[in-house]
Amino acid sequence: DAGVIQSPRHEVTEMGQEVTLRCKPISGHNSLFWYRQTMMRGLELLIYFNNNVPIDDSGMPEDRFSAKMPNASFSTLKIQPSEPRDSAVYFCASSFQAHNYGYTFGSGTRLTVV
Amino acid sequence: SQQGEEDPQALSIQEGENATMNCSYKTSINNLQWYRQNSGRGLVHLILIRSNEREKHSGRLRVTLDTSKKSSSLLITASRAADTASYFCATDARGNTGKLIFGQGTTLQVKP
Repeated sequence: DAGVIQSPRHEVTEMGQEVTLRCKPISGHNSLFWYRQTMMRGLELLIYFNNNVPIDDSGMPEDRFSAKMPNASFSTLKIQPSEPRDSAVYFCASSFQAHNYGYTFGSGTRLTVV
Repeated sequence: SQQGEEDPQALSIQEGENATMNCSYKTSINNLQWYRQNSGRGLVHLILIRSNEREKHSGRLRVTLDTSKKSSSLLITASRAADTASYFCATDARGNTGKLIFGQGTTLQVKP
């Protein structure tokens, strides 16, 4: 298995532009999580899905952020419009029976908004 | 809000020494997990300990859990330069549906 695949690895964009981050979870995993990591705030859970259904989006910073999971093998996190304070590393993780097993993380997308 | 708080924030030791990192948390948990993150990489799951377990081993790793004190420790024995990384504890709080809340992490440097 190739693991959790995220794209792009790096993204540099101008303030105000739309940014879309992509994630392919491990086949068979039924939970998917989006985290954001910064030096100041550490790892923050943004949203997670269980069986493709959003369960908890209380960590999404504001309406500029949205996430979708149209099927079991793909998820997107969109920021529109982007702002410099959105600069961070965004991680996707997936899990099978999250209560019982650990997460598998992707390599992350480093987003820089200038 | 962060559920887990790691201590110390940073630790520097010589190769061959043991490294101990501690984690405290606030609410009742289903399980507690430890992860490693190498610089510029994603997190890697190390070990999961359930609330009814007190100790768990995996290779050179030993994790303890004290639910009465709401604390856990990660011991890495006979450390190697390759163990240099950040280590995070994460809690699966009771009542939640499997989401993990991560602490701020301990940065470990192992000098060759």
